[in-house]
Amino acid sequence: EAQVTQNPRYLITVTGKKLTVTCSQNMNHEYMSWYRQDPGLGLRQIYYSMNVEVTDKGDVPEGYKVSRKEKRNFPLILESPSPNQTSLYFCASSLSIGTAQETQYFGPGTRLLVL
Amino acid sequence: SQKIEQNSEALNIQEGKTATLTCNYTNYSPAYLQWYRQDPGRGPVFLLLIRENEKEKRKERLKVTFDTTLKQSLFHITASQPADSATYLCAPRYGNKLVFGAGTILRVKS
Repeated sequence: EAQVTQNPRYLITVTGKKLTVTCSQNMNHEYMSWYRQDPGLGLRQIYYSMNVEVTDKGDVPEGYKVSRKEKRNFPLILESPSPNQTSLYFCASSLSIGTAQETQYFGPGTRLLVL
Repeated sequence: SQKIEQNSEALNIQEGKTATLTCNYTNYSPAYLQWYRQDPGRGPVFLLLIRENEKEKRKERLKVTFDTTLKQSLFHITASQPADSATYLCAPRYGNKLVFGAGTILRVKS
């Protein structure tokens, strides 16, 4: 089954404790991205990757890191989480972007609470 | 930066009626615009894409229009059903960025 998986689905942590949220897709997609979703603000892009070893900042990259060492994986790293990073996080992938055939596939989400 | 506006108030309609959701954008027109459905606690699911030079796109009971003069896209669900209840997000594409609106909650009552 074609899908985007994220782990963990739920995470409670404390300020300053490094964490990683994993994202994996099995569709051989070139493009992957991370979003956070907060009430009333919609989905905001954190980072995106056009291909292996190619990443770029989205609209809200502060406090986050990413890497793309393999095509299928795109982990999101919070080196020193703070309470304002409490949010619902989504990973997404697409075969390509900028074409009329673009379709973003989203993961199930990771709900993060930073105390 | 681009600002995307969707009705912040929920839309409540009766089963069988047509639901119409609005998406307005500022400044310049996107190359294309996508609509997604999101159920509580789940990731968005792609529904339709309409290009800048298309006026209308249909898929089963769904219809999307794109008016670059009004800087607006309308999303219609005909013969709505309770199962259509969800949050609907519009997302214009600007270069490398897909900019999402905050979404409109649709509630279809039987």
